[in-house]
Amino acid sequence: LAKTTQPISMDSYEGQEVNITCSHNNIATNDYITWYQQFPSQGPRFIIQGYKTKVTNEVASLFIPADRKSSTLSLPRVSLSDTAVYYCLVGTYSGGYNKLIFGAGTRLAVHP
Amino acid sequence: EADIYQTPRYLVIGTGKKITLECSQTMGHDKMYWYQQDPGMELHLIHYSYGVNSTEKGDLSSESTVSRIRTEHFPLTLESARPSHTSQYLCASQSWDSAYEQYFGPGTRLTVT
Repeated sequence: LAKTTQPISMDSYEGQEVNITCSHNNIATNDYITWYQQFPSQGPRFIIQGYKTKVTNEVASLFIPADRKSSTLSLPRVSLSDTAVYYCLVGTYSGGYNKLIFGAGTRLAVHP
Repeated sequence: EADIYQTPRYLVIGTGKKITLECSQTMGHDKMYWYQQDPGMELHLIHYSYGVNSTEKGDLSSESTVSRIRTEHFPLTLESARPSHTSQYLCASQSWDSAYEQYFGPGTRLTVT
């Protein structure tokens, strides 16, 4: 399983775009990149998943360069409610079982 | 929104007591998981299940046990609670055809005194 490295914390202000980069140098060919969001006292929530290039949904965008050794989660125009911990995970879907390894995540604080 | 429930949400209990943390989901998901998370720390997988009568231990050694008699129900039991068991316990479920999207419950915050 590929280990991921992300910043421990980030600060932003309302209305700004936030980019959180995750490094996964040992990503395997079959690995997907997944991001989760966790608010205090709640379970994590799936945000977005991708394999290569760019993926966009109603919440965020995920940019993955050609070498796939890193990925960037982009949150457009953040609000105070986006203050949370964001986890980058890399894993392989094999045999029906998916092992999610949650690291320490990135604590995003959005200020007024 | 996912329909996965955990009870109780908060539990304070004395050392040596037997406790069961409940987890139920109404989505018909075959795969279910239990994670343990200390405040401000990472989540650690302690148990998982592929389906009825299937249970496995996760990456983090845990003194808890689980059972899966019904698809929708995945309870976690501690036979004799200790202060070291104080933590947040999160249950999750996943559809068989989903690669990485797990649905998490709200968690049970356990304090053993």
